[in-house]
Amino acid sequence: DAKTTQPPSMDCAEGRAANLPCNHSTISGNEYVYWYRQIHSQGPQYIIHGLKNNETNEMASLIITEDRKSSTLILPHATLRDTAVYYCIVRVAVGNAGNMLTFGGGTRLMVKP
Amino acid sequence: EAGVTQSPTHLIKTRGQQATLRCSPISGHTSVYWYQQALGLGLQFLLWYDEGEERNRGNFPPRFSGRQFPNYSSELNVNALELEDSALYLCASSPDVHNEQFFGPGTRLTVL
Repeated sequence: DAKTTQPPSMDCAEGRAANLPCNHSTISGNEYVYWYRQIHSQGPQYIIHGLKNNETNEMASLIITEDRKSSTLILPHATLRDTAVYYCIVRVAVGNAGNMLTFGGGTRLMVKP
Repeated sequence: EAGVTQSPTHLIKTRGQQATLRCSPISGHTSVYWYQQALGLGLQFLLWYDEGEERNRGNFPPRFSGRQFPNYSSELNVNALELEDSALYLCASSPDVHNEQFFGPGTRLTVL
């Protein structure tokens, strides 16, 4: 799976949009971009994933650049409960290697009042 | 719909003992994954079970083992516990290998 690079930490004001970047310059054509988050001492929570088109769900939006070498997770109106470590993961969605996720260091997002 | 459940929530053992951790996947999910999150080391993949078979394992010694039962629940066994095994052990399930994983709350294992 391709390696990802994320800033170690970010701050965001409550109610504002949080934009979390991720670089994945070695991504392959069949690799998806996944985002998970982990609130302190809890299990990671799936947020969103995409291949090449931008995606949106009830939690967030995922913007993938046209060359697919980077992406941005957008939390449109951050709340204090969004304070967590956010992981950007790139992996192949099919194959005998299985579905296991390779977690990097992630970005620690601190939402402040 | 009930999520992934794990038991026990906390487990305290001493060096050399064995620990057994349990995981119940979301109903209908056939794949179960185990991860270890040790302090300062991040989440690391341990084992993957699908349809009762071990499909892949991470870079862990053989004293980490497990199994998946016919109802798709799973056990993780850690033999000859070492202090470095102290960690949060997370279980995840997915409906098949192509889909996202849903994580349980974890079991915190402390080895004294």
